[in-house]
Amino acid sequence: DVKVTQSSRYLVKRTGEKVFLECVQDMDHENMFWYRQDPGLGLRLIYFSYDVKMKEKGDIPEGYSVSREKKERFSLILESASTNQTSMYLCASSKTDTDTQYFGPGTRLTVL
Amino acid sequence: GEDVEQSLFLSVREGDSSVINCTYTDSSSTYLYWYKQEPGAGLQLLTYIFSNMDMKQDQRLTVLLNKKDKHLSLRIADTQTGDSAIYFCAESNRNSGYSTLTFGKGTMLLVSP
Repeated sequence: DVKVTQSSRYLVKRTGEKVFLECVQDMDHENMFWYRQDPGLGLRLIYFSYDVKMKEKGDIPEGYSVSREKKERFSLILESASTNQTSMYLCASSKTDTDTQYFGPGTRLTVL
Repeated sequence: GEDVEQSLFLSVREGDSSVINCTYTDSSSTYLYWYKQEPGAGLQLLTYIFSNMDMKQDQRLTVLLNKKDKHLSLRIADTQTGDSAIYFCAESNRNSGYSTLTFGKGTMLLVSP
């Protein structure tokens, strides 16, 4: 079974803090993705990575950065958290030869 | 660009069949997906269909694909209260050279006893 884990289920941070969200997958998938999910807006792709040290911008990359130093781990970084980044963050992974993405349980981030 | 549309809400009684509909725009999509999300959880892959198929059945789930109309549907037979969740339709894209998915906004299914 594919397993995607995220470092925290719930996180509360203050405006201006630097925030790290971690995602780990154990199935040797090449591709990893970060989404945010907001009511009425569905899932929006922030960044994705198709290989170690590679990254591509998604639809809403502003205010975020990512890091992929190891194949199994993909980090989402909020350099200076703002209240409009309060959201549910979902990580996913997939193999290059299929399009099927497998999701982690999500991190609900609240920025005060 | 790619776009996936779904109705936002469906309410059914326990034991009835549920049909959730979706339209998509990318005719080159290789796969089309249905994911389920329970409250506070991530997305769980329910089923998918390859674009050269018309139908796929998996226990209580039936997926129908009308490629001409770019219409996808998910039928859940004998719907149970445990099926209450948000259901997302997604199409695969390789237009940028990378494998990505475009999701609809989700259909909330409410099953009443």
